[in-house]
Amino acid sequence: EAQVTQNPRYLITVTGKKLTVTCSQNMNHEYMSWYRQDPGLGLRQIYYSMNVEVTDKGDVPEGYKVSRKEKRNFPLILESPSPNQTSLYFCASSLDSKGGNQPQHFGDGTRLSIL
Amino acid sequence: QKEVEQNSGPLSVPEGAIASLNCTYSDRGSQSFFWYRQYSGKSPELIMFIYSNGDKEDGRFTAQLNKASQYVSLLIRDSQPSDSATYLCAVNESMGAQKLVFGQGTRLTINP
Repeated sequence: EAQVTQNPRYLITVTGKKLTVTCSQNMNHEYMSWYRQDPGLGLRQIYYSMNVEVTDKGDVPEGYKVSRKEKRNFPLILESPSPNQTSLYFCASSLDSKGGNQPQHFGDGTRLSIL
Repeated sequence: QKEVEQNSGPLSVPEGAIASLNCTYSDRGSQSFFWYRQYSGKSPELIMFIYSNGDKEDGRFTAQLNKASQYVSLLIRDSQPSDSATYLCAVNESMGAQKLVFGQGTRLTINP
C-alpha cells in the first residue's frame, strides 16, 4: 500500500530533551516536507526536500533540523524542544521534485506535547 | 508572502444540498490548485486538483478555476453528513513551484 508513515503518532516529553520524528514513504517520491498545524494558524511548512541531500527552510524552521540521506526517509529533529513546539506535525511527499506541481500525500500525523 | 484566503466558516448546509466552498489566492502566476478534506485530528486527504481554467468533475465533487479572477472553488453535490469536515485549499507558489501555500480551511457541517 502506498503510504507516508510517521512515528511516533503521539509523544509527550519535556523541555530540552532531544527527539526525532521519523517519516518514511514507499512511493519513490522526490519531494518531502514537514508541516505543523496549530489552531487558527493552519498548516505551516517547516522544512522541505527536493531530493536526497537537498533540503531547504520553509516558513517556520526555527528550532528544527532535518536530513535527507535516503530518498524514502525524512526525519524531523528537535534538538532542544520547547513548549511552543507543541503541535500536530505532518509529513508529506510528492512525486515531482517541485512539491507545488503535483498533489502532496500526507502521513497520519504526530501529536507532540512538550511540557 | 503569498496568501490563500478561505472563509473559515462554519458553513452549514442541509443534507442533499450543494455545498460551495471558495478560495482566493494572491500569486497571479500560480498554476496548480488542490482541495484537501481534513477530519478533526486526522491528516489532510486529497479531494481534487485542477490546473486549467474551467470546471473539473469527479463524482459528487466539482472544482472550478478562474485564473483571471484568482479564485478556485469546490462544489459538493448531494451533500452527506460524512462530508462534514474542514476543507483546505492549497495553491503552488509560482516562483520555483517548490511549495504549496495552504488556506486556513473552511469548516463544513452537513445537517441531516
